[in-house]
Amino acid sequence: DVKVTQSSRYLVKRTGEKVFLECVQDMDHENMFWYRQDPGLGLRLIYFSYDVKMKEKGDIPEGYSVSREKKERFSLILESASTNQTSMYLCASIVRGGETQYFGPGTRLLVL
Amino acid sequence: AQKVTQAQTEISVVEKEDVTLDCVYETRDTTYYLFWYKQPPSGELVFLIRRNSFDEQNEISGRYSWNFQKSTSSFNFTITASQVVDSAVYFCALSEPHDYKLSFGAGTTVTVRA
Repeated sequence: DVKVTQSSRYLVKRTGEKVFLECVQDMDHENMFWYRQDPGLGLRLIYFSYDVKMKEKGDIPEGYSVSREKKERFSLILESASTNQTSMYLCASIVRGGETQYFGPGTRLLVL
Repeated sequence: AQKVTQAQTEISVVEKEDVTLDCVYETRDTTYYLFWYKQPPSGELVFLIRRNSFDEQNEISGRYSWNFQKSTSSFNFTITASQVVDSAVYFCALSEPHDYKLSFGAGTTVTVRA
């Protein structure tokens, strides 16, 4: 079974802090994604990566950056957290040529 | 641009009732995939089904069934004889094969009362 893990289930940070959200997948997938989920908006794509060191902006990249130094790990970085970044963050991965993304358990981030 | 619309925000039913979740999509592509995911209270998205745009055959899996109609750009999901464990948020999504990105609907919260 594909396993996607995220470093924290719950996180509380202060405005202005730098925040790192980590995602690890164990199936050698080339493609990895970060989404945020907000009520009434569904999931929206922040960033994605097709391979190591590669990254592409999604629909809402402002205020975020990412890092993909190793194939299994995709990090989402909030350079200076703001209250409007309070949300649920979900990571996903898919193998090249695959048809289905597999999701991690999500991180609920609260920015005070 | 792709767009997925789930017009129903919340549905509440009593156990054993059937419930149908609507999903309407927009895309300019002739090849695409449609998905349904379930998100229980624990938060993790669970994959339920994927449908290729060339395959309009309806599918049944236990108490779940899906009706894909290309003519109306709809991919509806029915839970038959609902159970309390079906309580969750259900998302419909669409992707283009060449870039894997998923476009999600807003989700429908299903509450099944005992």
